[in-house]
Amino acid sequence: QKEVEQDPGPLSVPEGAIVSLNCTYSNSAFQYFMWYRQYSRKGPELLMYTYSSGNKEDGRFTAQVDKSSKYISLFIRDSQPSDSATYLCAVTQGGSEKLVFGKGTKLTVNP
Amino acid sequence: DTAVSQTPKYLVTQMGNDKSIKCEQNLGHDTMYWYKQDSKKFLKIMFSYNNKELIINETVPNRFSPKSPDKAHLNLHINSLELGDSAVYFCASRQRNEQFFGPGTRLTVL
Repeated sequence: QKEVEQDPGPLSVPEGAIVSLNCTYSNSAFQYFMWYRQYSRKGPELLMYTYSSGNKEDGRFTAQVDKSSKYISLFIRDSQPSDSATYLCAVTQGGSEKLVFGKGTKLTVNP
Repeated sequence: DTAVSQTPKYLVTQMGNDKSIKCEQNLGHDTMYWYKQDSKKFLKIMFSYNNKELIINETVPNRFSPKSPDKAHLNLHINSLELGDSAVYFCASRQRNEQFFGPGTRLTVL
């Protein structure tokens, strides 16, 4: 079983739609959960960062972690064409432990 | 003002050649990484250095050798390049649990 599973998509939605992106992970030792956004031919940039279970909101973006089911989600409200990118979930135990990435979901928001 | 920079941005070379990629961060972080992103966009860690000391080596072939002359720099040297080495290589630095990525080096081996 892979450490982090993420549906690669692609996902295509109309402008204004609510987008839901998801990952599952296998190791209950993971404590830190991140979402990175990667535009085409660019490096990943940190979008959201949460510790342990719960929700975190930042503008149109909400990150959700459910440690009991080892499930993490990213919701994008009122999606914009500028949100078109690949979204990668990442998990880590913390400290000097490595980040483990999902395969990324490619999102296209159509005007 | 670039936080994590890499050179070159593109690298095209023949099989069997040796090449290097350089990375520099001006964030003052102690920990730096090299990642490989394949054609399917899967991002996988290769190496991690903390204050010039190797702390993670993810079963990468010996042809890959990282070198950290100081904590702001982490270079990657690749010997005897193979077709399968074609990928985008990203450097990153870490503060607490947040990692900051460079723009990537797109390596194409012919």
